[in-house]
Amino acid sequence: RKEVEQDPGPFNVPEGATVAFNCTYSNSASQSFFWYRQDCRKEPKLLMSVYSSGNEDGRFTAQLNRASQYISLLIRDSKLSDSATYLCVVNERTGANNLFFGTGTRLTVIP
Amino acid sequence: ETGVTQSPTHLIKTRGQQVTLRCSSQSGHNTVSWYQQALGQGPQFIFQYYREEENGRGNFPPRFSGLQFPNYSSELNVNALELDDSALYLCASSPADSGNNSPLHFGNGTRLTVT
Repeated sequence: RKEVEQDPGPFNVPEGATVAFNCTYSNSASQSFFWYRQDCRKEPKLLMSVYSSGNEDGRFTAQLNRASQYISLLIRDSKLSDSATYLCVVNERTGANNLFFGTGTRLTVIP
Repeated sequence: ETGVTQSPTHLIKTRGQQVTLRCSSQSGHNTVSWYQQALGQGPQFIFQYYREEENGRGNFPPRFSGLQFPNYSSELNVNALELDDSALYLCASSPADSGNNSPLHFGNGTRLTVT
């Protein structure tokens, strides 16, 4: 079983739509959680950390459910520039700062 | 502040050859991590270096090896290249006191193609 699982998509949504991505992780001892964004042929870049109480950054809202080992990302009012692959990332606190990445969910926002 | 830089940007090698990829860490960062990202997959942890010693390793064979230098820059060496080694290789640096709850910030990667 993979450490982090995501729906690979693709998600094709019109501009202005709200879209949600989900992710599950296998290790209940995981300590920290992130969403990264990756544009085509570029490196992943941190979008936001995910906190237990949930957190928001502008149009982006991240939620964590430790009991269900589930992480979500909600994007409101989608923009064309939101088109990218979104990677769910978990740190299992193994001693090294070892991040486990999902395969990513591809989003295309359509005009 | 200078971020993480990697070289070369692109590289083409033949099966069986050896390759060395380089990474300069961000100023003030003494820990370097390497990841491999195959097409359509998320990055996978190769290993991490701290104070010139390996400090954690993922599920990669011994032909993947590394070095860290006193200035905290790092190399990833891959011997006996295989076609499946074709991937984007990412380097990230972090300060020693960042703890295991900090995100990583990657360099722009080296795209390796093995033919």
